[in-house]
Amino acid sequence: GAGVSQSPSNKVTEKGKDVELRCDPISGHTALYWYRQRLGQGLEFLIYFQGNSAPDKSGLPSDRFSAERTGESVSTLTIQRTQQEDSAVYLCASSLYGGVEQFFGPGTRLTVL
Amino acid sequence: TQLLEQSPQFLSIQEGENLTVYCNSSSVFSSLQWYRQEPGEGPVLLVTVVTGGEVKKLKRLTFQFGDARKDSSLHITAAQPGDTGLYLCAGARSGNTPLVFGKGTRLSVIA
Repeated sequence: GAGVSQSPSNKVTEKGKDVELRCDPISGHTALYWYRQRLGQGLEFLIYFQGNSAPDKSGLPSDRFSAERTGESVSTLTIQRTQQEDSAVYLCASSLYGGVEQFFGPGTRLTVL
Repeated sequence: TQLLEQSPQFLSIQEGENLTVYCNSSSVFSSLQWYRQEPGEGPVLLVTVVTGGEVKKLKRLTFQFGDARKDSSLHITAAQPGDTGLYLCAGARSGNTPLVFGKGTRLSVIA
């Protein structure tokens, strides 16, 4: 019964570089969410996957952000040409089909220099 | 974007005191969740309330969902240093939809 895992836990990158963040959801959870938490702020929704349905990308802040998920397993969030304002903690959560309760991973702290 | 307003933003109290955190919105939610987050970790779910007027108790923590399902409160009795952390409320419009989060209440309980 492992929880949601994310890697890396910390990532420091230079402005303009691309980064990939990974999320392993809880086994059996069909729904997967990405959120962003800026310093001193609440969580901001980015993108949501449910099974094999088309993802809800309505929260992505720009076309530099994209995410993929293969079936009901691992997801990767990619940020291209990173900017300093992308610095934040990126959190992944998963839930059962139809469930309201979301379970979060520890997050990836991204710092763009 | 529907927002949840949390108050207060910061709270520093002495061990043994009581406190209440509020979460308000102009929108109706099908359920509301409370999370606690510690530094360097993801939010941990404390409770989910789904029925208007519902009250749930978790040891010294009491959670209430407003009758109209637009607001909620978290009351802590006899706070302890272990209660220190960031408390977040989050609303869901239905199952398997993105949560709308408040900005959180940062609680510090001093021994």
